[in-house]
Amino acid sequence: AQTVTQSQPEMSVQEAETVTLSCTYDTSESDYYLFWYKQPPSRQMILVIRQEAYKQQNATENRFSVNFQKAAKSFSLKISDSQLGDAAMYFCAYWGANSKLTFGKGITLSVRP
Amino acid sequence: DTAVSQTPKYLVTQMGNDKSIKCEQNLGHDTMYWYKQDSKKFLKIMFSYNNKELIINETVPNRFSPKSPDKAHLNLHINSLELGDSAVYFCASSQPGIRGVIYNEQFFGPGTRLTVL
Repeated sequence: AQTVTQSQPEMSVQEAETVTLSCTYDTSESDYYLFWYKQPPSRQMILVIRQEAYKQQNATENRFSVNFQKAAKSFSLKISDSQLGDAAMYFCAYWGANSKLTFGKGITLSVRP
Repeated sequence: DTAVSQTPKYLVTQMGNDKSIKCEQNLGHDTMYWYKQDSKKFLKIMFSYNNKELIINETVPNRFSPKSPDKAHLNLHINSLELGDSAVYFCASSQPGIRGVIYNEQFFGPGTRLTVL
């Protein structure tokens, strides 16, 4: 079974600075997707960014980018120019052959003004 | 217009009661899901339906029974509620993908916070 590990429970970043959230996963599959979801206090689940495993190029969405290391099974999220609205819980997730979204335990990101 | 809606948003009830949470999507998706987010914020899939047919059934107590009257609705009925059922329950929908190869984004509802006293 696939597992997703987020080992940092909390992180803090100064407004306008850059922060990197870590995620590792375990799988024997070659075709899969990886995601970062944001859950603000409103509890709405918001897809931040996705990465197809077959793509070597790292995904980017405005201030959000990933560092996808397939061999190392690592998938980190970089948030540039952090804003107060980025404060939330962030979940790393995996989707593969069993068609289930498997989530990590999440990390709470706080942004200091 | 809300894409995936859930009712109610909050539900407080006594142990032993039976309750239902309703979910509706207006996206025309064929696949719907129920997720449970526990008190430690851990999010896990419970069920998945595709065109009213049960596709995924995780290790969930029999007290939980999903019902899909049509492909736009997936309701969750919980019998004999226990303290441990207190959680946030999320409904989601998507078009079906191809296992591991084609993923179609899942759109989540706002969640229903269930508190069992």
